[in-house]
Amino acid sequence: QKEVEQDPGPLSVPEGAIVSLNCTYSNSAFQYFMWYRQYSRKGPELLMYTYSSGNKEDGRFTAQVDKSSKYISLFIRDSQPSDSATYLCAMSAPQAGTALIFGKGTTLSVSS
Amino acid sequence: DAMVIQNPRYQVTQFGKPVTLSCSQTLNHNVMYWYQQKSSQAPKLLFHYYDKDFNNEADTPDNFQSRRPNTSFCFLDIRSPGLGDAAMYLCATSREGTGNSNQPQHFGDGTRLSIL
Repeated sequence: QKEVEQDPGPLSVPEGAIVSLNCTYSNSAFQYFMWYRQYSRKGPELLMYTYSSGNKEDGRFTAQVDKSSKYISLFIRDSQPSDSATYLCAMSAPQAGTALIFGKGTTLSVSS
Repeated sequence: DAMVIQNPRYQVTQFGKPVTLSCSQTLNHNVMYWYQQKSSQAPKLLFHYYDKDFNNEADTPDNFQSRRPNTSFCFLDIRSPGLGDAAMYLCATSREGTGNSNQPQHFGDGTRLSIL
């Protein structure tokens, strides 16, 4: 079993839809959870950063972490064509400088 | 704007010819990372510097080395590139966490390396 599992998609939605992106993981030591957005030929851009379980909201984006189920989600409300990108979940154990373990990314396409 | 800058954006080299990729940062972060990302795959950590301390991942090939002459700059050296080393190379930085914490990593736009 891989440490982090993420459905690669592709996921296609119409503009204005609510998008749900998910990752599961196996390592209970993970405490920090991140979502990155990566446009084609660009580096990953940090969208959300959460510690332990709970919800975090930033504009149209909401991140949820359920450590008991080892499951994290990113919700995008009122999706826009500019949201079309690959979304990578990433997580790490507490110690500073430890590796981020990434999912493979989900490719999202929002059509106008 | 404070950022992570990678040069060049595209690099072409010949099979077996040494190549160096560079990364600079204006964030004043003390931790710098190099990742390899192949097409449709997750980024994979090669190594990182915690200040001047070099930390190599166990499965990083010996062909890959790194230098960090100062806080702002970090280099990735590939001594004898093979066809399998064609990939996007991403540099990232983070600031030291306090206590037992881990701070988010900020990425540059990468260098896409092609091997002829």
